[in-house]
Amino acid sequence: EVQLLESGGGLVQPGGSLRLSCAASGFSFTSYAVSWVRQAPGKGLEWVSSISGIGDRTYYADSVKGRFTISRDNSKDTLYLQMNSLRAEDTAVYFCAKPDSGSHHTFDYWGRGTLVSVSS
Amino acid sequence: EIVMTQSPATLSVSPGERATLSCRASQSISSNLGWYQQKPGQAPRLFIYGASARASGIPARFSGSGSGTEFTLTISSLQSEDFAVYYCQQYNNWPLTFGGGTKVEIK
Repeated sequence: EVQLLESGGGLVQPGGSLRLSCAASGFSFTSYAVSWVRQAPGKGLEWVSSISGIGDRTYYADSVKGRFTISRDNSKDTLYLQMNSLRAEDTAVYFCAKPDSGSHHTFDYWGRGTLVSVSS
Repeated sequence: EIVMTQSPATLSVSPGERATLSCRASQSISSNLGWYQQKPGQAPRLFIYGASARASGIPARFSGSGSGTEFTLTISSLQSEDFAVYYCQQYNNWPLTFGGGTKVEIK
């Protein structure tokens, strides 16, 4: 059974940093690009970042480029998101997501999410 | 960036009726479109990819159509479990982008 379990969320002050983790199981982690998608309270979905299976290619939304860094440790089947210079508008539930085998860029498995709150 | 526009924002439908949700892309995305359902407090669930292919376990009453810039998700006969928010997502270009969502509510 595919499982994705995010952790690392919490309350942080503006300008602060946070590192999210996503532990994956039940599939060949190295074979898939994986992504972070976020959802601000009461709002829609926003793609944040993706990383290729071996980690050689990364992609970012303009809203986080230069502040967030996606990475992965394939020996631990774990995805990370290092978030620096956090802003109030980064407040959201952050989901990690696995792409489906058909399209490779729609997401057929999602974690439950971890809440990041940026506030003073 | 490709902007995805969904309409209507809210759709009021009676159980058993047909629902038609629209998604428009700001430029052509071929058939590189997915649809998701999200219920309160839950992660999204993939329903459609490739504009018209149903994901695993998705009932046949859900169908997707369209290509280029205009797409439709049709629910042929709404069941109680179908009342939720639906999002479209394009994956033709980076950055990946989602529509703002359509809430399907009970009339």
